[in-house]
Amino acid sequence: GAGVSQSPSNKVTEKGKDVELRCDPISGHTALYWYRQSLGQGLEFLIYFQGNSAPDKSGLPSDRFSAERTGGSVSTLTIQRTQQEDSAVYLCASSFAAHSYEQYFGPGTRLTVT
Amino acid sequence: DQQVKQNSPSLSVQEGRISILNCDYTNSMFDYFLWYKKYPAEGPTFLISISSIKDKNEDGRFTVFLNKSAKHLSLHIVPSQPGDSAVYFCAASEETSGSRLTFGEGTQLTVNP
Repeated sequence: GAGVSQSPSNKVTEKGKDVELRCDPISGHTALYWYRQSLGQGLEFLIYFQGNSAPDKSGLPSDRFSAERTGGSVSTLTIQRTQQEDSAVYLCASSFAAHSYEQYFGPGTRLTVT
Repeated sequence: DQQVKQNSPSLSVQEGRISILNCDYTNSMFDYFLWYKKYPAEGPTFLISISSIKDKNEDGRFTVFLNKSAKHLSLHIVPSQPGDSAVYFCAASEETSGSRLTFGEGTQLTVNP
């Protein structure tokens, strides 16, 4: 399909392990965003990419979280030494340009840290 | 601090009637507002938006109203349909922050046949 795709759809990991979440944005979209939604909460901004650079990383909750984007396309969000409070749905979105407010979301990755 | 708040976690209406979802914000720098709809196990989908220079935007059955002085916006759905049952998120953005969106907690709308 032509939408934003994310993998895996579900991930269960043990506390202390590292995880990588992947996002494939809509082709041609230069801006890419990561959000997370904890249980009963709204979406919380994590990081934003314009091309391969990240002008805004202010939402990353700790230095255990990092993200990269290569080739202006695929992005990976890495969480090191996972903690139980990292359990959430991680959502990726893309938009045509940096100041195009209409963001298109993927289905999310549900992360459960046991 | 919660800059965008949706105080009603749930709303139930009858099919054919009007649904009104409310959202309040505290950051006066917000200049663009959006509503997203989310079905279970899917990502949010964009529904309708409004710039701070307007006070109303209409798209079919959906109308968004913005009251800047009260820092309040609302989404009206009329007539409501069972397929509208979903979680609705209000979101806001300010030009100086780029395109990051600040979301409310969401309101679960249930439209009963």
